[in-house]
Amino acid sequence: DVKVTQSSRYLVKRTGEKVFLECVQDMDHENMFWYRQDPGLGLRLIYFSYDVKMKEKGDIPEGYSVSREKKERFSLILESASTNQTSMYLCASSFGGTSGSTDTQYFGPGTRLTVL
Amino acid sequence: AQKVTQAQTEISVVEKEDVTLDCVYETRDTTYYLFWYKQPPSGELVFLIRRNSFDEQNEISGRYSWNFQKSTSSFNFTITASQVVDSAVYFCALSEAGNFGNEKLTFGTGTRLTIIP
Repeated sequence: DVKVTQSSRYLVKRTGEKVFLECVQDMDHENMFWYRQDPGLGLRLIYFSYDVKMKEKGDIPEGYSVSREKKERFSLILESASTNQTSMYLCASSFGGTSGSTDTQYFGPGTRLTVL
Repeated sequence: AQKVTQAQTEISVVEKEDVTLDCVYETRDTTYYLFWYKQPPSGELVFLIRRNSFDEQNEISGRYSWNFQKSTSSFNFTITASQVVDSAVYFCALSEAGNFGNEKLTFGTGTRLTIIP
């Protein structure tokens, strides 16, 4: 079974703090993704990575950065947290080894972040 | 640009009833992939099905079935004889064919399904 884990289920931070959300997958997947989920908006892609040290902006990258130093780990960084970044953050991974196809993304349990 | 519409925001049915969740998509590509995920109250998205655009056969898995119709750009999901454990938010998603790193999913806004005992 694919296992995607996230460092925290719930997190409370203050405005202006630097926040790190960690995601680890154990299936040697090439691709990793960070989404945020807000009521009425579904899931929106923040950043993704298709290889170590590679990253691509998603649909809403503003205010976020990412780091992928090892294949199994993908970190989302909020440089200076703001209240509008209060949300559920979901990490996912996929095999990524097949061009011309889309592999299934497997999700972690999510981190509910509150910025006060 | 690709788009997924789940017009039903919330549905409630009594246990044992059948229920269909609608999904309509838009894409300019001829090769694309469609997905359904379930998000129970615990929060984790659980993968249910992946279907490519060249396979229009309907799929059945236990009480779950999916009806893919390219003519109407729809990929609807039916639960037969619903159970309380089916209560969750269900998401439909679309991806155009990936090219090593271009496998982005576009999600619908989800349908919250409540099964009443």
